[in-house]
Amino acid sequence: EPEVTQTPSHQVTQMGQEVILRCVPISNHLYFYWYRQILGQKVEFLVSFYNNEISEKSEIFDDQFSVERPDGSNFTLKIRSTKLEDSAMYFCASIPDRGIYGYTFGSGTRLTVV
Amino acid sequence: RKEVEQDPGPFNVPEGATVAFNCTYSNSASQSFFWYRQDCRKEPKLLMSVYSSGNEDGRFTAQLNRASQYISLLIRDSKLSDSATYLCVVNMGGNQFYFGTGTSLTVIP
Repeated sequence: EPEVTQTPSHQVTQMGQEVILRCVPISNHLYFYWYRQILGQKVEFLVSFYNNEISEKSEIFDDQFSVERPDGSNFTLKIRSTKLEDSAMYFCASIPDRGIYGYTFGSGTRLTVV
Repeated sequence: RKEVEQDPGPFNVPEGATVAFNCTYSNSASQSFFWYRQDCRKEPKLLMSVYSSGNEDGRFTAQLNRASQYISLLIRDSKLSDSATYLCVVNMGGNQFYFGTGTSLTVIP
C-alpha cells in the first residue's frame, strides 16, 4: 500500500534554531498538507499546498513557517526560529484529489524544542 | 463554537460489547466525513469514510445525520485491538479537514 514518508521521526532542536521537516507524499497525489498535534491535544491544520503554492493556511501558520516542494517529490515544512511551544508531532498528509477522499498521513515527526 | 465536537470518554468496555460514538459538526454545508483511528503517539489512520446512506465495514458501522449534524460510529463485538482513540474528521468545503479531539476507547478482557 502506498505510504507517505516523513523524516526524521524525531528531531530535537534548541529554541531559536531553524528546522526542516521532510515528507514524501504518495506519488500520484495532488494535495499536500501539514498538521500538528501537541501532546494530548487535537490534530490542528497548518497549511495545504496544491499546484506548487499554498492554497490555505491557518492562524498557526505565521511568518516563521514556510513550505516548499523543491523537486517534485519532497514536501518540506520549515520553521525558521523555533519556540518551545512548537514542540509537537508534525504530520504530513496527501490526497489524490479534493472531495470524498480521506487523508493518508505520514508517521509523523516528533519535534522537541529545548 | 467548536467546529467538531466529540465526547472524549474514556469508554471502557468489555470484550464483545457494542459501543457507539457520536460526533457533532457546526457547519451544515460540510461535505465529507471520516472516522480515523489513532493509537498512542502514532499517526491517525483512516478507518472509514461516512456516506449519506450509512456504510458498514465488518464490525464497524458509520452513519451520517445531516438534519441533526452528527455522525456516529458503531463497533460491534469489540476486540482488545480496538483500543485506541477514534477521531471524527469533517471537511467543511475548503482545503482543510477539521478534527475532533477524539474519543478514547479501552476494551477490557
